Formats: sequence, structure tokens, C-alpha cells
Amino acid sequence: AQKVTQAQTEISVVEKEDVTLDCVYETRDTTYYLFWYKQPPSGELVFLIRRNSFDEQNEISGRYSWNFQKSTSSFNFTITASQVVDSAVYFCALSEANYGGSQGNLIFGKGTKLSVKP
Amino acid sequence: DAGVIQSPRHEVTEMGQEVTLRCKLISGHNSLFWYRQTMMRGLELLIYFNNNVPIDDSGMPEDRFSAKMPNASFSTLKIQPSEPRDSAVYFCASSRVPGQGVDGYTFGSGTRLTVV
Repeated sequence: AQKVTQAQTEISVVEKEDVTLDCVYETRDTTYYLFWYKQPPSGELVFLIRRNSFDEQNEISGRYSWNFQKSTSSFNFTITASQVVDSAVYFCALSEANYGGSQGNLIFGKGTKLSVKP
Repeated sequence: DAGVIQSPRHEVTEMGQEVTLRCKLISGHNSLFWYRQTMMRGLELLIYFNNNVPIDDSGMPEDRFSAKMPNASFSTLKIQPSEPRDSAVYFCASSRVPGQGVDGYTFGSGTRLTVV
């Protein structure tokens, strides 16, 4: 069965600190996709990144970076020099590729609530 | 591109009433997902469709819930009769075959349902 675990329920940091959000996943498939979504207080789910299981390159986008390690089944998310606007709930998610290539169900972790204080 | 459009944004209804939530997909997307978010259970899949065909409805709580996709761009989620425990935020999301874009699943803004 597929599962996504975000062990950190809540994290509080002071502005400009770096923060890493952990994500560990379980799947038996060799082809799968990993995602991070941001849910700000306004409630919408904002797509941040998608990685496929064959691409273990780390990715950096501005202050955001992601570390994908298949050996430990982890897909961690780091925010560098955090800002108050980064305060949100962050979800890690996993989907498997269906036959035919369509994306299957997105399985979400429970989320990590990040509070960045000024 | 207007994104995934859900209506209504907020719905308050009395127990026993029928509720219909609506979702318009992004043009060109071929998969449609309905999720429910509660404090207790987090984000959980209710049902999803590929090319208008329901693929997995194992998350639909019970017979009171039904979902349809009458065409490639539109879906409804109906609850009849509604109960207070159905109160939640319901999200619709759409996606396309990987390789045809860098995006993942695009979510609508959600419908906050309150059953009193």
C-alpha cells in the first residue's frame, strides 16, 4: 500500500531561518510521482513541484529546494531564509502512474504547519 | 486558462437536504479527482475519473454520495441526504497525462460545506 508520512506536525521558525520539511513515502511501484503542495491560510492548494521516480536530481527554485533520495524513500523540502509569507500548511503527496500513463490517485501526507514569525 | 473552477465556494445546508457541488476542469485535462479535507482525516480521495470513466470510487463514504462526469469538462458531486458529519472542504482537481506539461494536479479553490 502507498503511504506518505510527514512526521513534523508543526514547525515554528523566526524569519530568515532555514527550515526543512520532511517527507517519507512508501510504494511498491517503480514508476511514481512525488509532489509538494502549499496550503496558505486562504485555503487553496498551490502546486509547488512534481518529480518522477526516475529523476533523483535535486531541484532549486529561488528560496525553495527539494532533496529526493530513493535509497531512503524521502523527498524533503527546504526553505532558505524563510519569510512570514511562507507560513502555511505544506503537503507532500505521492501518485502512481496508471496503465496508459495517466496519473493515478494523489495520496497526501497529513501536512506540516509552518509558522514563520517576524 | 481559468484553472479548475468549483462552485459554490461556500454552502450551508440543513441536515437531510440534497447538496450538489460542481467542478469545471481545465481544458485538455483528462483526469478528474474529488477530495475531501477535514481536520480529523486530512485530505482523502473520494473518487476519480480518467477520460470520463470512474476509476476508483472506494473513497466514497456511502451511498449518500454520488459523482458524475457528464462530459469531458464538468463533474458534479452530490450528497443526498446530507448529514452534519459531511461538513468539510471539498476539492476538485484535474490533471493530464504526464509528459504533456510540467504541472501536477491543479486544484480548485474548494467548496466549504457546512451541514447543520
